[in-house]
Amino acid sequence: GESVGLHLPTLSVQEGDNSIINCAYSNSASDYFIWYKQESGKGPQFIIDIRSNMDKRQGQRVTVLLNKTVKHLSLQIAATQPGDSAVYFCAENMAPNNQGGKLIFGQGTELSVKP
Amino acid sequence: GAGVSQSPSNKVTEKGKDVELRCDPISGHTALYWYRQSLGQGLEFLIYFQGNSAPDKSGLPSDRFSAERTGGSVSTLTIQRTQQEDSAVYLCASSSGTGLYGYTFGSGTRLTVV
Repeated sequence: GESVGLHLPTLSVQEGDNSIINCAYSNSASDYFIWYKQESGKGPQFIIDIRSNMDKRQGQRVTVLLNKTVKHLSLQIAATQPGDSAVYFCAENMAPNNQGGKLIFGQGTELSVKP
Repeated sequence: GAGVSQSPSNKVTEKGKDVELRCDPISGHTALYWYRQSLGQGLEFLIYFQGNSAPDKSGLPSDRFSAERTGGSVSTLTIQRTQQEDSAVYLCASSSGTGLYGYTFGSGTRLTVV
């Protein structure tokens, strides 16, 4: 079936370095993508999203890149901080015009930031 | 309320018992979702409610699982005759229905079947 998967299950970076978390998706019809951050014992928290008509979107210290040609999504975190340590999930929404619909989540990448 | 509220936060039950998990979405959100997260795994879609439309139940793993949403607000996920493989964190989320900005998740209910 359709799935969203991540290239790396774990990522360890030094505080202050930039982090890049990758995600591959298989459904070319997906129109909307989201990155979530999940800290231990908490629900996933929205970080940033991007629609399929864009290839880059920037937030505060985070950038999402979308390459529809190779069905690849990445999350870049600038100047990674200890508070960024968490599991990061990518998710896709296949609903037309983003009218609700379920999100399909990847397996997650655990980011560990070393002080 | 200000966020999505789930109760209980933790539930330990004996195999074979029924359990009910509650989700109180953000006020005014028309869409409500249930997901299941096993230890160290991603989120598995269970069921989705949107307004007065028939729910999308395509993710429910068996007929022991059911959910309802009363009055377009609070939702209850019921698991009958629980099995050990049902142990997981059950997450609820709500959205305004447009899907933009993703969902807002609750903190989940950790279910342990012993």
